[in-house]
Order: sequence, then C-alpha cells, then structure tokens
Amino acid sequence: GAVVSQHPSWVICKSGTSVKIECRSLDFQATTMFWYRQFPKQSLMLMATSNEGSKATYEQGVEKDKFLINHASLTLSTLTVTSAHPEDSSFYICSAEWRGNSSGNTIYFGEGSWLTVV
Amino acid sequence: EDKVVQSPLSLVVHEGDTVTLNCSYEVTNFRSLLWYKQEKKAPTFLFMLTSSGIEKKSGRLSSILDKKELFSILNITATQTGDSAVYLCAVGKYGNKLVFGAGTILRVKS
Repeated sequence: GAVVSQHPSWVICKSGTSVKIECRSLDFQATTMFWYRQFPKQSLMLMATSNEGSKATYEQGVEKDKFLINHASLTLSTLTVTSAHPEDSSFYICSAEWRGNSSGNTIYFGEGSWLTVV
Repeated sequence: EDKVVQSPLSLVVHEGDTVTLNCSYEVTNFRSLLWYKQEKKAPTFLFMLTSSGIEKKSGRLSSILDKKELFSILNITATQTGDSAVYLCAVGKYGNKLVFGAGTILRVKS
C-alpha cells in the first residue's frame, strides 16, 4: 500500500523556539496533504489542508501564523510550530490522499510526531 | 455541524469473543466511510466503504455501511490480544476532509 513518512517521530523543544515536522509521500504524489493534532485520549482534529503550490486552508480556531504549512512539492509538506508553548505539546499527524484504483481514493497517515515543549 | 459518533466508547472482551463496533454519522457531502486501527502511533487503514450493503472483509475483520440509516459497523471475530487498540471511524467528505469519531477503545484479555 501507499506509504506516508513523517519526521521526526518525537521532538522536545524549549518554549519559544520553533519546530518543523516533515510529511512525505514516499511512493505516490499527493497534491493535498492534511495535518491533524491529537491530544491524549482524544480523537484526531483536523488543523489544516495543505495544497501543493498554494496556501494552506486552516480550520476554524487554528492560528495560521503559529502553525506554518508549506507544501513545496508533490511529495512533501511541512508543518512549523512557531514560538512553541507547552500547550502546543501534542501528537501531530499528517495524511495524504492516494488517488488509487476504481474503488476510490484512500487517505494514508504518517507515523505521527510527538511534540513536547518544555 | 458534522458529527461522527462511535459506540461503545470502550469495550473489554476475552480472547475468542466476537465484537461489533458501531459508527453513526451526520455529515454533509458524504463521500466515504473509513475505519482505522490506532495503537501507539498513527492510525493504520482498515477499510474504506462507499456503497451500502457491500461487506468488506479482511481476515477476521469485516465492515459494512448503511447509507440510508447513516451508520457502519466493524466486526472482529475470534478476537486476539493483538486486536487491542483504539478503532477510529472517519467520514470522508468531498474536498477530502476526514471527520473523525472519538474512537472505541478495545481491550482483549487473554
């Protein structure tokens, strides 16, 4: 099946610094990728839709200046958490749509990135 | 407002039991319904359902969608301890957004 790779798997950073998380589709091209956040014991919440070659679309309540998304190529999207604070500590997951076979398109997830801000 | 509701929220069974997980939804621009299994990391894909009444099967897991009554079930037969996980139901909308339910925590005891 399609593979989506996310890096780093986990990161610890100091409050006030910025952290970049990468999401790559390894064996397919993805014009659209999605970024989710998941707090402990909660479900995934969509943060933004990353569009190759254009600006990301953010969900209501998500600060676009704080969570910078860049989709520079058909296989790479990055999420930068700027001026991170402890409340930004969470599990961040990306996904990409595989435009597959006649059964339809399927969305695959990266492995996720644990961010801890201290 | 889009809603995906899963039940039960959590479930404890013994190895060998059969379980049924439920997912109901009220979502505009419905495109598909997906089931994922989440252990310690990101969700892994199980099924995607687009048509009513057609069962999808993979080993001991099966799933079916009812687009008239707006629900889906995920069945796991002969459960094993390795089935312990959070099972997430998500509805895919046109525009490719996924709306997730809160998940069902399944624990299989040996």
